[in-house]
Amino acid sequence: AQSVAQPEDQVNVAEGNPLTVKCTYSVSGNPYLFWYVQYPNRGLQFLLKYITGDNLVKGSYGFEAEFNKSQTSFHLKKPSALVSDSALYFCAVRDEYSTLTFGKGTMLLVSP
Amino acid sequence: DAGVTQSPTHLIKTRGQQVTLRCSPKSGHDTVSWYQQALGQGPQFIFQYYEEEERQRGNFPDRFSGHQFPNYSSELNVNALLLGDSALYLCASTTKRDFKGTDTQYFGPGTRLTVL
Repeated sequence: AQSVAQPEDQVNVAEGNPLTVKCTYSVSGNPYLFWYVQYPNRGLQFLLKYITGDNLVKGSYGFEAEFNKSQTSFHLKKPSALVSDSALYFCAVRDEYSTLTFGKGTMLLVSP
Repeated sequence: DAGVTQSPTHLIKTRGQQVTLRCSPKSGHDTVSWYQQALGQGPQFIFQYYEEEERQRGNFPDRFSGHQFPNYSSELNVNALLLGDSALYLCASTTKRDFKGTDTQYFGPGTRLTVL
C-alpha cells in the first residue's frame, strides 16, 4: 500500500525567509508526486508535480520541490516566503495504476 | 475556462437521511473522482468515474454510491447518513487520455456536509 508522511503539523517562518515543507512517500511503482495548497474553506489548488526527469520541479507562485529517490522525499520549498503563502499544504503520491494518496497536511504560517 | 464546480456549498442533514452532491468537471475533462476530507485530515479517495462507470474505489462502504452522466458531470450519493460522514466532500476532474497516472487532478471548492 502506498503512503505519504508529512512529519510536521505546522511550519512557522518569517516573511522573506526561505521555507521548506517536508514530505516522504512510499509507493510500489514509479512515484508520481504532487503538492496541493488549501486555503480556508476552499478546495485544493494544484502547485506542482514530479513525473520524471529533473529532480527540481518548479511550480506556481514561486514554489519548487526537490525529488530525492534515495531518501523517498519530495520537499516543498520557496526561497522567500510571503504572508499570503499561509495555508494548508498537502503532499500526494500515486503510481501508474493507483489513485492519489494524500498526507495529513502541514499548516504553513508566515509571520510579517 | 470554467474550473470544477460543485453544489451545494453547504448542506445540513440528520442521521439516517440520504444526500446527493453534484460536480461538473473542468472543461475538456472526462474523469471525475470524489474525495472525503474529514476535519484535520487529508482527502481520502472514495471512487472515480470514467465513461459513466465506476473504475476505482477506495475503502468506503456501499452507502457511498455515484453516477456519471454523458456530459461527464457526476453525483455522489450517501445513504443512511452517520455522524461520521460529516466532512468536506471534494470533487476532482482530469482526463484519462494518457492512462499513465501522470495526469493532474483539479479540485472543486467542495461541499461541506454536516450530519446532526
